[in-house]
Amino acid sequence: EVQLVESGGGLVQPGGSLRLSCAASGFAFSSYNMNWVRQAPGMGLEWISFISSSSSTLYYADSVKSRFTISRDNAKNSLYLQMNSLRAEDTAVYYCARPPLNTGALDIWGQGTMVTVSP
Amino acid sequence: DIQMTQSPSSLSASVGDRVTITCRASQGISNYLAWYQQKPGKVPKLLIYAASTLQSGVPSRFSGSGSGTDFTLTISSLQPEDVATYYCQKYSSTPRTFGQGTKVEI
Repeated sequence: EVQLVESGGGLVQPGGSLRLSCAASGFAFSSYNMNWVRQAPGMGLEWISFISSSSSTLYYADSVKSRFTISRDNAKNSLYLQMNSLRAEDTAVYYCARPPLNTGALDIWGQGTMVTVSP
Repeated sequence: DIQMTQSPSSLSASVGDRVTITCRASQGISNYLAWYQQKPGKVPKLLIYAASTLQSGVPSRFSGSGSGTDFTLTISSLQPEDVATYYCQKYSSTPRTFGQGTKVEI
């Protein structure tokens, strides 16, 4: 079964750091680009980051640029999001999501991990 | 950056109604557009990609059309299980912006 499982969320103080992980299974992880998408409570979806299959190309939304870093370990079938200088507005459910090989749409999503930034 | 604007932000319709949701890009994005359905408390689900290609397993009452700047998601006969929020997303370039969502109620 194709599956993505996020972990690493939790409560963190403003200015703090957190590292999210996304474990992939059931498909050739190293062949696929990956994304992070977040959703603040009661709000819409926000795309935040992209990494190519070989890690050669990285993209970020302006809202997280210079604070968040996306990375992957293809040997471990894992995707990561290092989040630094966290703000209250970063409070959200964070999803990792995979596009198929032939399109940039996101067909496989993890269940999400909640990040709460609060004193 | 290219902005994605959905309309309406919410709608209420009856079972069996034809429902249309519009997504407009501030610049042309060819057909690099996807539609997602998110039911309350659930993970988003891909419905349509490349503006009009139905994702495998998605009921045929869902359809998409458009190219360039104007796109439409149509539910030909609304069913109770279609209650959800629907999002468009462009993936022609970064940022891969989502629309603000359209909440569909019965």
